[in-house]
Amino acid sequence: QKEVEQDPGPLSVPEGAIVSLNCTYSNSAFQYFMWYRQYSRKGPELLMYTYSSGNKEDGRFTAQVDKSSKYISLFIRDSQPSDSATYLCAMRGRDDKIIFGKGTRLHILP
Amino acid sequence: EAGVVQSPRYKIIEKKQPVAFWCNPISGHNTLYWYRQNLGQGPELLIRYENEEAVDDSQLPKDRFSAERLKGVDSTLKIQPAELGDSAVYLCASSLDDFSDEQYFGPGTRLTVT
Repeated sequence: QKEVEQDPGPLSVPEGAIVSLNCTYSNSAFQYFMWYRQYSRKGPELLMYTYSSGNKEDGRFTAQVDKSSKYISLFIRDSQPSDSATYLCAMRGRDDKIIFGKGTRLHILP
Repeated sequence: EAGVVQSPRYKIIEKKQPVAFWCNPISGHNTLYWYRQNLGQGPELLIRYENEEAVDDSQLPKDRFSAERLKGVDSTLKIQPAELGDSAVYLCASSLDDFSDEQYFGPGTRLTVT
């Protein structure tokens, strides 16, 4: 079992819909959880990071962490065509190594 | 503020040839990372520098890969000789320090080995 599992998609949703992106993990030592957005032929760009279980909101984005279930989510409200990208979850443990998921390709249909 | 700069953006070489990638991190960032990203995968760490010291190179294939970060600023990643399986995007990232979770990535170098 990989340390971080993420469905690669693609995920296609209509403009304006709420998008839900998810990752599961197996290593209970992970303490820091991040979401990156990567446009085609660009480097990943940090969207959000959080340390604790619960929700963290930033504009149209909400990151959710459930440490008891080893499950994290990113919600995008009022999705826009410009949100079309690959979304990568990433996690960091006490050894400072950051492990990335495979990424989920998201298409927002106008 | 300039972001992480990488060059070249694209490189095509024949197998067994050497290749080098260059990275200039964000000014003031002490920690520098080299990642490899295969198609359809997330980035995988190759090496992490804290200033000029390589603090984690456990995933660097040392038989053919080498890296340096002289003076703790710019860094170069080299492959010699390249193999077909080395075709990937090589990403450089930097962060303020080893404790910061905010990594800033460059655009990457897309390497194709034929």
